[in-house]
Amino acid sequence: AQSVAQPEDQVNVAEGNPLTVKCTYSVSGNPYLFWYVQYPNRGLQFLLKYITGDNLVKGSYGFEAEFNKSQTSFHLKKPSALVSDSALYFCAVRGLEGNTPLVFGKGTRLSVIA
Amino acid sequence: DVKVTQSSRYLVKRTGEKVFLECVQDMDHENMFWYRQDPGLGLRLIYFSYDVKMKEKGDIPEGYSVSREKKERFSLILESASTNQTSMYLCASSLFGQGRQNTEAFFGQGTRLTVV
Repeated sequence: AQSVAQPEDQVNVAEGNPLTVKCTYSVSGNPYLFWYVQYPNRGLQFLLKYITGDNLVKGSYGFEAEFNKSQTSFHLKKPSALVSDSALYFCAVRGLEGNTPLVFGKGTRLSVIA
Repeated sequence: DVKVTQSSRYLVKRTGEKVFLECVQDMDHENMFWYRQDPGLGLRLIYFSYDVKMKEKGDIPEGYSVSREKKERFSLILESASTNQTSMYLCASSLFGQGRQNTEAFFGQGTRLTVV
């Protein structure tokens, strides 16, 4: 069975500081990994994904994520946080085989303080 | 751009009513999904469909059914709404097929349903 853990319900960071939102996963074999962002009363917007190749993936709005196979992690990062980055962030995983839906973590609320 | 459109942003229904949530996508995606989002629980899959008239149960199908008569449209039905079905409902779509497992899902804006 596939699963995702986001260990932090809430992350607070000062504007201009680097941010990290953590994600670990469990899947049989190699994974496809995704990050989504949700602003208040909106649907989820795709940020970035890891398929294969480089462990550092770059995505929208200056976000990037680092895939670490040995630690089964896919942490979301940004070098300099903006107040407008404040939102709910979801990590998701899918296995390589079959037509399985994305499995999501419980989400991490990021607050960037001016 | 992919567009996934949910018919209502906000709905208020009474206990026992039959409720229809509609979702339409315009990118010819094979897969369509219904998720439910609750605080602290993340997104939980209710049903998904990989083709017209085909459906698969997700993690929490009880109290729900779905209909997919056309490729672009996927409906979620609450047979008899209850207060514990008050939630945010999210529809999504994605490609299906060999070599397409790496594609992301695209989401609608969500329907916030309140059952009173």
